[in-house]
Amino acid sequence: DAGVTQSPTHLIKTRGQQVTLRCSPKSGHDTVSWYQQALGQGPQFIFQYYEEEERQRGNFPDRFSGHQFPNYSSELNVNALLLGDSALYLCASSGQGKRSPLHFGNGTRLTVT
Amino acid sequence: SQQGEEDPQALSIQEGENATMNCSYKTSINNLQWYRQNSGRGLVHLILIRSNEREKHSGRLRVTLDTSKKSSSLLITASRAADTASYFCATDRGGSNYKLTFGKGTLLTVNP
Repeated sequence: DAGVTQSPTHLIKTRGQQVTLRCSPKSGHDTVSWYQQALGQGPQFIFQYYEEEERQRGNFPDRFSGHQFPNYSSELNVNALLLGDSALYLCASSGQGKRSPLHFGNGTRLTVT
Repeated sequence: SQQGEEDPQALSIQEGENATMNCSYKTSINNLQWYRQNSGRGLVHLILIRSNEREKHSGRLRVTLDTSKKSSSLLITASRAADTASYFCATDRGGSNYKLTFGKGTLLTVNP
């Protein structure tokens, strides 16, 4: 039973570039949430997708956008990258439209130079 | 913004000792959860306690919740080196608020 998988595991980008991160939820899960975790901090909620719609959004600028596909997988896109976007990006899934408990992937480490 | 605040920020103990971590939060909640994160990896859900519960056990874990004080504690008994990790509390406000709000975490080091 595959857990949450994220790709890529590491990414280095330059300021101003755009990035796409991908996530496949745990088998049987239909809800995907994205979190940003800066070094030494707790995860910060970016947004949650359910039934291919953004159900809730955290306090992040419009440069952060996402998508959920019919197979429940999801993408996180970040445009016009800033140095401050460097972080671990975590995808989490939950089942039956529930908000929790969350099953997390191992994240994508994004470094912006 | 982060709702939960864990205390202490870091804790170092010897194997076999008990570890207690505390979490305070600001608003009313539907439930509170604890997660563990090994260095640089994803978070793992440990235990969930609902707002109408006061104490919950799972193996070597014991969680308490005091909604009047807006605080929770996580006790790990008979700690092992493998328990070395960061521990986060996360609050769920329920209703139409679908996000979990995490604290900054407690870094637990268990020395062999």
